[in-house]
Amino acid sequence: GAGVSQSPSNKVTEKGKDVELRCDPISGHTALYWYRQSLGQGLEFLIYFQGNSAPDKSGLPSDRFSAERTGGSVSTLTIQRTQQEDSAVYLCASSLSPPSGRGEQFFGPGTRLTVL
Amino acid sequence: GESVGLHLPTLSVQEGDNSIINCAYSNSASDYFIWYKQESGKGPQFIIDIRSNMDKRQGQRVTVLLNKTVKHLSLQIAATQPGDSAVYFCAVYSGAGSYQLTFGKGTKLSVIP
Repeated sequence: GAGVSQSPSNKVTEKGKDVELRCDPISGHTALYWYRQSLGQGLEFLIYFQGNSAPDKSGLPSDRFSAERTGGSVSTLTIQRTQQEDSAVYLCASSLSPPSGRGEQFFGPGTRLTVL
Repeated sequence: GESVGLHLPTLSVQEGDNSIINCAYSNSASDYFIWYKQESGKGPQFIIDIRSNMDKRQGQRVTVLLNKTVKHLSLQIAATQPGDSAVYFCAVYSGAGSYQLTFGKGTKLSVIP
C-alpha cells in the first residue's frame, strides 16, 4: 500500500526566502509528526498533530517555523525567512493512535532543504 | 526529559558475523522502545520494538534486549548481510501517554563482504 509521501524531495533556496514542505500521511493515520535531521545526527522532534486536538509545537526551534494539517490529512511545514542553519532533511511520519496515543511511526523519504 | 545516547557511532562487521548495536537512555519512566534502520537517502524504517514489561524480543534475524536496571537496550543482528549496511537508531517513548519519540544519534553499520 501507499506509504508516507513528501514533496519536494529536494529544495534549494536562498537565505531569507520562505519555503513550504508537504507531507501526505498514510490514509487512516490520525497522528502526524515532523522531525528535522541534520547531517550525521539523530532526529529532532518538531511538531505533532493528533486528530482534531491542538498540535504539540514544543519542538519548533523558532517562530519562523509553523505547520498546518488540513482536514486531518495533508500537512505543510512552513519555514519563513530561511537561514543557513535551517539546512537539513525534514522528515514526516504518521501512525495509528492506540489509546495511549502512540504507535509505530511510518516515515516518509524526507525533504532535503539547502539554504544558500 | 529524556536523552538517548549511543555507545558507538560506527561499527564494521564481516559478512556472516553477528552485529550488536547498543543504546542507553536516561529516563527510568521510559516504557516503549523502537529500533529503526535508515538507508542512505531514505526515511527511517521500523525494525523491531519492545515494551518495558519485556526484556527480550525476537524478529527475523534481529533480537532486541532491554535492561531496565541499567537503562540499556541493544539490537542484535544475526548473520549480518551487506543489505544490513545502514544507520541504526534507537528511539524511546518516555512514559505512558508520552507521544514524543526521542532518538539517539545513530550507529552506522558497515558490512565487509
